[in-house]
Amino acid sequence: LAKTTQPISMDSYEGQEVNITCSHNNIATNDYITWYQQFPSQGPRFIIQGYKTKVTNEVASLFIPADRKSSTLSLPRVSLSDTAVYYCLVGGFSGNTPLVFGKGTRLSVIA
Amino acid sequence: GAVVSQHPSRVICKSGTSVKIECRSLDFQATTMFWYRQFPKKSLMLMATSNEGSKATYEQGVEKDKFLINHASLTLSTLTVTSAHPEDSSFYICSAQGQGSNTGELFFGEGSRLTVL
Repeated sequence: LAKTTQPISMDSYEGQEVNITCSHNNIATNDYITWYQQFPSQGPRFIIQGYKTKVTNEVASLFIPADRKSSTLSLPRVSLSDTAVYYCLVGGFSGNTPLVFGKGTRLSVIA
Repeated sequence: GAVVSQHPSRVICKSGTSVKIECRSLDFQATTMFWYRQFPKKSLMLMATSNEGSKATYEQGVEKDKFLINHASLTLSTLTVTSAHPEDSSFYICSAQGQGSNTGELFFGEGSRLTVL
């Protein structure tokens, strides 16, 4: 299972763009990269998923370089409600393979 | 999107009693579900993989006789914390991957907070 490394914490002001980078040097060919958001006392919530290049949805963008050994979650114009822990996970293809969580990045958005 | 529901969301029990937590996939069938536990300000720790119709696979260090997992149908997995003690107090979260999914996306329940007095 690929191990991931993320910054422990980040601070940002409201309205700014936030980029959180995750390292996953041992990512396997079949692995997808998935980002989750977790608020206190709630289960993680899916944000975005990608395999390579760039993926964008209504809440975030995910940038993945050609070697796929890292990925960057980009949150445009964050608000106070984006204060949460963000987890980067790698895995996929097999339904029997659990996703292992790293320590995550605690994002604090300040007014 | 797919929905996973847990019940109860909160439970308080006395030391020595057993507590059952249910995890249901509401709009899809899940052959595999995963159980995690999370301590305050810590990451999720995988406890076990629950397979429909067969025995669960436990992670190293997780006592299978203490954390009983049953996955009797494609939409329900249960975690029973037997003879609970205060150190079992934690946030328990289940997740499931839908049938036919090949991207590894998991759907998570809302979590169940267990407090053992």
